[in-house]
Amino acid sequence: KAGVTQTPRYLIKTRGQQVTLSCSPISGHRSVSWYQQTPGQGLQFLFEYFSETQRNKGNFPGRFSGRQFSNSRSEMNVSTLELGDSALYLCASSLNQGVSEQYFGPGTRLTVT
Amino acid sequence: KQEVTQIPAALSVPEGENLVLNCSFTDSAIYNLQWFRQDPGKGLTSLLLIQSSQREQTSGRLNASLDKSSGRSTLYIAASQPGDSATYLCAVLGSGGYQKVTFGTGTKLQVIP
Repeated sequence: KAGVTQTPRYLIKTRGQQVTLSCSPISGHRSVSWYQQTPGQGLQFLFEYFSETQRNKGNFPGRFSGRQFSNSRSEMNVSTLELGDSALYLCASSLNQGVSEQYFGPGTRLTVT
Repeated sequence: KQEVTQIPAALSVPEGENLVLNCSFTDSAIYNLQWFRQDPGKGLTSLLLIQSSQREQTSGRLNASLDKSSGRSTLYIAASQPGDSATYLCAVLGSGGYQKVTFGTGTKLQVIP
């Protein structure tokens, strides 16, 4: 069974631009969560989607948004990029919402210049 | 607000040694606790998942315990090997009205041949 895939793996953007990251969960998994990892703040929860609905949201500004499609694939969008948005963005899938074991993708390394 | 702390932040041991990594959390209202390892620049690999009703889980040379009442979990690694070198993270899924995954600060382990 294929694992969680994330595209692209690396991105370089300029301040003020927007970016869209994609995540394909493990086949059969219906929940997708997104995390931001930085050296200073560690791993922080962004949001979780289940059945195309956002179920939980972390403490991030409205510039961070996401969506989930009927095939459970998810996208995350960051608008008006700031230097501080440079991070490794990780996606995790699980069978069901919340209590199931999470499986992580390799991440997308975003650099904002 | 859930806070998850891991001690020590870094650990260096000779190959073959048994070791214990610690994870402490402030809010005992949790659904589960999951241990991960992360290799540099990579995503997270799930090691063990302990449901709140369980006391421990084992996989190969790894054993994780959970004591909800004291807000503690330990990851025991037997007969450490250089390939175990990585950062180990614990993550707690809260069971409050606002379910959210909170990650610990991580322990960077180096196993010296």
